Amino acid sequence: DTGVSQNPRHKITKRGQNVTFRCDPISEHNRLYWYRQTLGQGPEFLTYFQNEAQLEKSRLLSDRFSAERPKGSFSTLEIQRTEQGDSAMYLCASSLGFQPQHFGDGTRLSIL
Amino acid sequence: SQQGEEDPQALSIQEGENATMNCSYKTSINNLQWYRQNSGRGLVHLILIRSNEREKHSGRLRVTLDTSKKSSSLLITASRAADTASYFCATPSINYDKVIFGPGTSLSVIP
Repeated sequence: DTGVSQNPRHKITKRGQNVTFRCDPISEHNRLYWYRQTLGQGPEFLTYFQNEAQLEKSRLLSDRFSAERPKGSFSTLEIQRTEQGDSAMYLCASSLGFQPQHFGDGTRLSIL
Repeated sequence: SQQGEEDPQALSIQEGENATMNCSYKTSINNLQWYRQNSGRGLVHLILIRSNEREKHSGRLRVTLDTSKKSSSLLITASRAADTASYFCATPSINYDKVIFGPGTSLSVIP
């Protein structure tokens, strides 16, 4: 069990640029989740996959956000045309079915 | 949509004291989970309690669940400086396909 890995750990970009984050889940986990967390708040659900199928995307999520999980392995989260309000910690978690989730240490995004 | 909410928002205690934080939720659940998050890190699962359980222990942690009051509590006994972290309760979404996290309790344990 090597844990959930997220890259990069930190990303600083200018407003309007596109960014992509990567998450490598625990290998035998079939579920993968993306969350956004701002200071003093709990993780806010963005989307989740079961194997390669994206089963739900938060209604709060702008069309500028897209996620993929090709072949049911790693996942990427892309934000297009970043805005100041996108500054946050982006967390990835994985689980085997409905078992408790294992989290990565997140990617902290700062928009200049 | 927020399901669970922790109380208090922040708690500061001396090392060796007990820390109690509470979680209230709105709809029916089949289980409730508690997670810990150290500053700048991801969340770590602590304990899961099922709806037919009233109390569960894990080391220095004790979790209770009162489904009639829709509330849970997390007790950390004999706290240590290393327990300084944010603690979140997580409850199932309405269709039970994912969990929803509360805003958390920030615990500071002073050496």
